[in-house]
Amino acid sequence: EAQLVESGGGLVQPGGSLRLSCTASGFTFSTYSLNWVRQAPGKGLEWVSYISSSGDNKYYADSVKGRFTISRDNGRNTLYLQMNSLRDEDTAVYYCASPPSTGMDVWGQGTTVIVSS
Amino acid sequence: SYELTQPPSVSVSPGQTARITCSGDALPEKYVYWYQQKSGQAPVLVIYNDNKRPSGIPERFSGSSSGTMATLTISGAQVEDEADYYCYSTDSSGQVFGGGTKLTVL
Repeated sequence: EAQLVESGGGLVQPGGSLRLSCTASGFTFSTYSLNWVRQAPGKGLEWVSYISSSGDNKYYADSVKGRFTISRDNGRNTLYLQMNSLRDEDTAVYYCASPPSTGMDVWGQGTTVIVSS
Repeated sequence: SYELTQPPSVSVSPGQTARITCSGDALPEKYVYWYQQKSGQAPVLVIYNDNKRPSGIPERFSGSSSGTMATLTISGAQVEDEADYYCYSTDSSGQVFGGGTKLTVL
């Protein structure tokens, strides 16, 4: 069974940094592109970033461009999201997920990021 | 930036047909996907490529797309279908979710 498990969330002050990880199992990680998606408390889903299977192509939402960096280690079956210059509005549950265009619908359980002083 | 527009809420009685719309300028050229999210849970894909249903999704869920409007239809909605529904698509610079529609079945 395909699974994604996020980790690395927590409480951080405004302006701080955090790195999220997403560990995959049950499928050939290196052949799938992946997304980070977030959901602020009581709000809707927001796409954050995409990375291709090789890691060569990366895209970001305007709201995080220049502050967040997506990367992956196909040898470790792990996806990352480096988040810098964090703002209050980055407070959310962060999910890693397979884009539906891949033909696979897998989401992690989410990891919570709280940006607060 | 690209936007997908959904109604904030839709309400039906059990057994009735629920229709949730999603509008976006790029929809004539791009596939639409629909997710169901129940409270406290991760989203689940219920429609892909405009009108395909993943295995395990009940037949009462269907999708259609015409021009700049896509529609998720739940024929004979059940109480357990009460959830938030999000459309999703892509554009040249990335991906986007609609704002979400809260479906109430009571």
